[in-house]
Amino acid sequence: QLQLQESGPGLVKPSETLSLTCTVFGDSISTSTYYWGWIRQPPGKGLEWIGSSHHGGGTYYNPSLKSRVTISVDTSKNQFSLKLSSVTAADSTVYFCARHAWGGSGKAFDVWGQGTMVTVSS
Amino acid sequence: DIVMTQSPLSLSVTPGEPASISCRSSQSLLNSNGYNYLGWYLQKPGQSPQLLIYLGSNRASGVPDRFSGSGSGTDFTLKISRLEAEDVGVYYCMQGLQTPLTFGQGTRLEIK
Repeated sequence: QLQLQESGPGLVKPSETLSLTCTVFGDSISTSTYYWGWIRQPPGKGLEWIGSSHHGGGTYYNPSLKSRVTISVDTSKNQFSLKLSSVTAADSTVYFCARHAWGGSGKAFDVWGQGTMVTVSS
Repeated sequence: DIVMTQSPLSLSVTPGEPASISCRSSQSLLNSNGYNYLGWYLQKPGQSPQLLIYLGSNRASGVPDRFSGSGSGTDFTLKISRLEAEDVGVYYCMQGLQTPLTFGQGTRLEIK
């Protein structure tokens, strides 16, 4: 059964770079036709898509964050990662990693990690 | 960006009774392949979202048949035929037609 697990620092200083990793268990990123994405959710609020990437290339970002975001796939570790630069308090949210097909299911996210809270504070 | 608008924003329903949530998009979600790129998710308290419905009306694996999705173009509906206690949480619609992928504000469903 496919499982995703986020990991990374729970506290990041303002202006620094937030780095999170999502480890995939039960499937291989490199043989999969899926995209691997990041979504975030401020406490008690709605969901915001950050971006998605495929191991073979093809990365898409939310324009609202594009200048600060990098998503990459590491097939050797069966992981994908999120880097968000120049963080502020507004980036203090829960971050989810998730899997989705690009076409067949209408890009629906069918498997999610449990989420990890990141706080931006000095 | 495609704006997704849900209504109502909160809902209180008696167990065993039906429930319905509406989702409207600012642009048609009908793809050239004939499918509507609309999904529904449920986020139970303290959990990550789970996929209920994809392509407007297809139930995801393991989703009870009391959940159904309908609609086309810009107007969509999620229906729960008989509410159970485990159905409480926040329901979101999401469009997958264009990037950025966008979600509705969420509808909080509670037991009356």
